[in-house]
Amino acid sequence: AQRVTQPEKLLSVFKGAPVELKCNYSYSGSPELFWYVQYSRQRLQLLLRHISRESIKGFTADLNKGETSFHLKKPFAQEEDSAMYYCALSPPLSGGYNKLIFGAGTRLAVHP
Amino acid sequence: DTEVTQTPKHLVMGMTNKKSLKCEQHMGHRAMYWYKQKAKKPPELMFVYSYEKLSINESVPSRFSPECPNSSLLNLHLHALQPEDSALYLCASSLTGGPQHFGDGTRLSIL
Repeated sequence: AQRVTQPEKLLSVFKGAPVELKCNYSYSGSPELFWYVQYSRQRLQLLLRHISRESIKGFTADLNKGETSFHLKKPFAQEEDSAMYYCALSPPLSGGYNKLIFGAGTRLAVHP
Repeated sequence: DTEVTQTPKHLVMGMTNKKSLKCEQHMGHRAMYWYKQKAKKPPELMFVYSYEKLSINESVPSRFSPECPNSSLLNLHLHALQPEDSALYLCASSLTGGPQHFGDGTRLSIL
C-alpha cells in the first residue's frame, strides 16, 4: 500500500530551536518525495523535492531509503516558519502527470 | 504568469443548484488536477487531466463533472451536491511529471 505517515499533528518550538518534522512512507519502489507548506491564508506551495537536494528557507530534507523516511529539518526555527507542513509521495507514472499522496500534515508553531 | 487562478473564491449553493468552478493557468503545464480539502485535512485527489484527457477519476460521485476545454482551462461542474461536499476545492497544474502548482482554492458551502 502507498502511504505517507506524519506522526506529529502539532510541533511546538521556541524561536531559534532546531526543528525536525518527521515523514515516513510506504512504497515498494522509488517514489519521488516532496514537502509542501501552507502558511495561514496562503496557497499550498512546494517547499522541497528530494531530487533537487536544495535548501529552501533554511530547510533541508534527506531521503533515507533504508528507513523509508524523508524528515524535514531546520537548525534554527523562525516565527515565520509557523505553518502546516505536508509530506507527499508521488509514484513513478507514465502519462505526463503525477499523483500526490499526502500525509496528514504537521502544524509547526514557533513561539517567540 | 506563474500562477494557477481559481474562480470564484467563495461559493454558496443549494442542493438543487448547478454551478461550475473554474481554474486557469498559462504556464504551459499539460497536467491539471482537482483536489478536495476538508478543514485540517490534507488534499484528496479527485481528478487528473493530462493533455486535455481525463487520466484519473478517484471514484468521485457523478454529481462532480470535470471538463478540460483546452490546455489552460479546467472546470468542475457541480450538480445536486450534498452538505458533506462542503470543502475547499483546489486546482493544481504541473509540467508533465514535475511538481504541482496549486491555486488558492474555491471555498464551497452547500446549504
